[in-house]
Amino acid sequence: GESVGLHLPTLSVQEGDNSIINCAYSNSASDYFIWYKQESGKGPQFIIDIRSNMDKRQGQRVTVLLNKTVKHLSLQIAATQPGDSAVYFCAVAYGSSNTGKLIFGQGTTLQVKP
Amino acid sequence: DAGVTQSPTHLIKTRGQQVTLRCSPKSGHDTVSWYQQALGQGPQFIFQYYEEEERQRGNFPDRFSGHQFPNYSSELNVNALLLGDSALYLCASRLRYRGHGEAFFGQGTRLTVV
Repeated sequence: GESVGLHLPTLSVQEGDNSIINCAYSNSASDYFIWYKQESGKGPQFIIDIRSNMDKRQGQRVTVLLNKTVKHLSLQIAATQPGDSAVYFCAVAYGSSNTGKLIFGQGTTLQVKP
Repeated sequence: DAGVTQSPTHLIKTRGQQVTLRCSPKSGHDTVSWYQQALGQGPQFIFQYYEEEERQRGNFPDRFSGHQFPNYSSELNVNALLLGDSALYLCASRLRYRGHGEAFFGQGTRLTVV
């Protein structure tokens, strides 16, 4: 079945540096991917998504890169701020494009040092 | 707009008991999905409801059941509770024909089974 994994359980960066969080998925037929941010005591919050017909998508201070050849995606956060400290999840939609059931990875905890 | 609201926020149950968790979707949303998030893990999809019927289901036993009401609110029922059912239960809502990128999560219900 589908599986989603993250490369590092914890990432520690200095405030102002760029952060890169990685994720791998197993199903080459997956065509929709999302990054979520989850702060303590809250539900996941949508950050950015990307479809398989794209390699890159940019938002405000965030960029998602998709490499379908090696089934890998990454989230880049520019000029990381203390408010970016949270757990980050990648998720893959399994089934019908962007409405299929979501398979989440295990999460990477981002710690921002002042 | 209150967003997605879940109740209760916390509860403690004894092994073997039954529990009902509730979710009110964001105003205007008609589709509700439930997820189980064990400590330190990513959310796992339980099932999705729209038009008062279960439409998709994850890999969860029949002890997990749900319901959606005409006002789109939803309940998650878990029978014969096991210690392993202890987790954060998340509800997410969206419009049926809109993708996960437009879904909102509630803050979750923390269930502890003792």
